[in-house]
Amino acid sequence: QSALTQPASVSGSPGQSITISCTGTSSDVGGYNYVSWYQQHPGKAPKLMIYDVSNRPSGVSNRFSGSKSGNTASLTISGLQAEDEADYYCSSYTTSSNVVFGGGTKLTVL
Amino acid sequence: EVQLVESGGGLVQPGGSLRLSCAASGFTFSSYWMHWVRQAPGKGLVWVSRINSDGSTTSYADSVKGRFTISRDNAKNTLYLQMNSLRAEDTAVYFCARASSTSCYYWGQGTLVTVSS
Repeated sequence: QSALTQPASVSGSPGQSITISCTGTSSDVGGYNYVSWYQQHPGKAPKLMIYDVSNRPSGVSNRFSGSKSGNTASLTISGLQAEDEADYYCSSYTTSSNVVFGGGTKLTVL
Repeated sequence: EVQLVESGGGLVQPGGSLRLSCAASGFTFSSYWMHWVRQAPGKGLVWVSRINSDGSTTSYADSVKGRFTISRDNAKNTLYLQMNSLRAEDTAVYFCARASSTSCYYWGQGTLVTVSS
């Protein structure tokens, strides 16, 4: 199972919006509405930000939103804040009943 | 409060074995699927394995299939990962996570496994 494809890095200024893409295949992202997004600060455990494509866990800011079109899922962060600077990972359920992660995207807040 | 505490990591020689544990509290452990996810130093997250609530269904990443075994003891609220035939490329921080749908909803802080001679 190959990792999902994410851009290595994205950046934005405070207050701006950014979008991180996550591209898979019809065997994972495109085949199920089971895409999740995680935020990880250095030295910390990951934190779930979005599950099942577009659902936010309790306590996650509504500045974070998720969507999917075909084999590509996206995470959008609006009103960028300094504390959003972190690594972001997508994941998807697969036809093998497994889970696959993306390679991760480093978000820099300028 | 949900808490997941991993233990059992350490230094092991190539070809050796190690068993990781994940002690769960703050929720009804026997009701949830559980995952193991690992992260090599400076690298990204890699899913390793998951197990259903009663332990009857498991799945593994191809990279660990046949070498690693996930299990759980619902009476002890503990998740396990038995790792055999360890390789240098298994060196990583291993996280356990409580599932929600197919997501990893809550995560432990991880335990470091180093495979080296």
